[in-house]
Amino acid sequence: DIQMTQSPPSLSASVGDRLTITCRASQSISTFLNWYQQRPGKAPRVLISASSSLQSGVPSRFSGSGSGTDFTLTISSLQPEDFATYYCQQAYSTPWTFGQGTNVEIK
Amino acid sequence: QVQLQESGPGLVKPSQTLSLTCTVSGGSISSGSYYWSWIRRPAGKGLEWIGRLYSSGSTDYNPSLKSRVTISEDTSKNQFSLKLSSVTAADTAVYYCARDLGGYGGFDYWGQGTLVTVSS
Repeated sequence: DIQMTQSPPSLSASVGDRLTITCRASQSISTFLNWYQQRPGKAPRVLISASSSLQSGVPSRFSGSGSGTDFTLTISSLQPEDFATYYCQQAYSTPWTFGQGTNVEIK
Repeated sequence: QVQLQESGPGLVKPSQTLSLTCTVSGGSISSGSYYWSWIRRPAGKGLEWIGRLYSSGSTDYNPSLKSRVTISEDTSKNQFSLKLSSVTAADTAVYYCARDLGGYGGFDYWGQGTLVTVSS
């Protein structure tokens, strides 16, 4: 199985902050990397697919980059609705695997 | 607009079989190049992919659960189901069904999730 390691596990930030979450794969996955946001009590929502492709309806303050084993999710200016848990997921080979999540809290 | 809805018992006894159904509306599970997946999130932990069903009826399971999992379909009701046998407290989780684009695109539509607790 491909292991996905996210960092940091949690962070505190303020509205307006720039935020970067990293995800590392245990082997090269090209750009087969998706990012999800999960708010409390809700299902996950895909934000970015194929490492950098913003999904329809997702605000442009979200961006993704990376290839091979190292990936980043950036939120350029944190908004109140962005406080949530974020997951990366590799889509290179089954079993699909997720990072352990990054919980973004209000400072 | 595709919608998914999980249903099934919220409480299962240890050693018994967990059974959940996902009802899909707004699209047929037997047409198109889509997979239909089950994913779970144990309390305090991250997401775990359980397995998936392809529109042809073929299946693909996570090796960590493969010996206990069966995913099947009822095309007449546009539903797919999950059975997980010999459950323990470690199987307590919120279970989600989702449409799986099979690579680029990820899981684009999700059910709201259903909590299943394993306890006597």
